[in-house]
Amino acid sequence: AQSVTQPDIHITVSEGASLELRCNYSYGATPYLFWYVQSPGQGLQLLLKYFSGDTLVQGIKGFEAEFKRSQSSFNLRKPSVHWSDAAEYFCAVGPPNTGGFKTIFGAGTRLFVKA
Amino acid sequence: EAGVAQSPRYKIIEKRQSVAFWCNPISGHATLYWYQQILGQGPKLLIQFQNNGVVDDSQLPKDRFSAERLKGVDSTLKIQPAKLEDSAVYLCASSPGAGQREAFFGQGTRLTVV
Repeated sequence: AQSVTQPDIHITVSEGASLELRCNYSYGATPYLFWYVQSPGQGLQLLLKYFSGDTLVQGIKGFEAEFKRSQSSFNLRKPSVHWSDAAEYFCAVGPPNTGGFKTIFGAGTRLFVKA
Repeated sequence: EAGVAQSPRYKIIEKRQSVAFWCNPISGHATLYWYQQILGQGPKLLIQFQNNGVVDDSQLPKDRFSAERLKGVDSTLKIQPAKLEDSAVYLCASSPGAGQREAFFGQGTRLTVV
């Protein structure tokens, strides 16, 4: 069955430190991959997506993610975290075939940023 | 461009009452989704519309939940009767079409059933 695992329920990093949020998926083929961010009381905003091609993708707000097929992972990174990055982050996978969009979301990782 | 609009933002009802949520997607977006996000979990797709037709409602509890998208634009999601476990944030999202993979989300409606 398809699934998305975000192993870390929450992470705390110091402002200015680097960040890596983990995401592992189980899927029959290489899916479409997404990272979304959700600030308190807000909807989800797309940070970046991977469909094909270069396995290192750049997103908004200085985030990047690397797709590693051998590890079924799509980890999110940021070299220097800002206090405004405190939010919940969701990894999601969608089917690679056209004509449908049934995305599965992970349970999320809440990021805390300390001064 | 205007984003996905949802109302109300918050709703508190007693169990066994009914409630309805409204969503206005981004103009021109053919695909509309309703997600349920229970506290501490990721969003779960309830129903997907392509224009005014249902594409996927496999995870919609049809004994109490219903949704419609008249004229292929606005959509309403109804719960009748509500149960305590329906307490969640209900997110509406839209995308330009079936081939578009990115969904744009509204702010959601937080439902509390007491």
